[in-house]
Amino acid sequence: GAVVSQHPSWVICKSGTSVKIECRSLDFQATTMFWYRQFPKQSLMLMATSNEGSKATYEQGVEKDKFLINHASLTLSTLTVTSAHPEDSSFYICSASKTGDLGYTFGSGTRLTVV
Amino acid sequence: GENVEQHPSTLSVQEGDSAVIKCTYSDSASNYFPWYKQELGKRPQLIIDIRSNVGEKKDQRIAVTLNKTAKHFSLHITETQPEDSAVYFCAASKGGQAGTALIFGKGTTLSVSS
Repeated sequence: GAVVSQHPSWVICKSGTSVKIECRSLDFQATTMFWYRQFPKQSLMLMATSNEGSKATYEQGVEKDKFLINHASLTLSTLTVTSAHPEDSSFYICSASKTGDLGYTFGSGTRLTVV
Repeated sequence: GENVEQHPSTLSVQEGDSAVIKCTYSDSASNYFPWYKQELGKRPQLIIDIRSNVGEKKDQRIAVTLNKTAKHFSLHITETQPEDSAVYFCAASKGGQAGTALIFGKGTTLSVSS
């Protein structure tokens, strides 16, 4: 079945630094990649939607200059958290889909802790 | 945009009992309604889904019903077991349309005691 590999699975960084999270679709071409953030005991909140080769569309309240998304190929999308602060500590998870397919394939998630 | 409401937020049942979780959605154009089970720190796991052209779908102890007129759908788990304890999320999307994201409900923490 479809697999999305997400790395790293966890990361600890200092406040003010940047962190990059990668999602790779291993056996299919991901037309669209969705990025979610999940705080403890809360739901998955959509941050942004990115289509291959296009600029990402961000949800209201998500700073596009802080959360940089790149979807340069059909198999790789990255989320960079710039100038991270403790309030950015969360579980980030990607989800890939392809046009015409109802299914969504989730990455394994990244636990980000900013100290 | 789509808004998904989920109830209850917590549900405690005895082993062997049934559990029902309900969701409502706002966008009448949504046509795909999956249910996910999530364990702490892990990715959501799809347990069952239903498309808008179907009213009910069953897979062993799990069933989902959809009422498009009322814009609500429900998850039914029968003969619950302790391993069913987890957080369950409903979601909705305009599946198949390019770039359409899943919008999640707030989740239900199910506890099954033996």
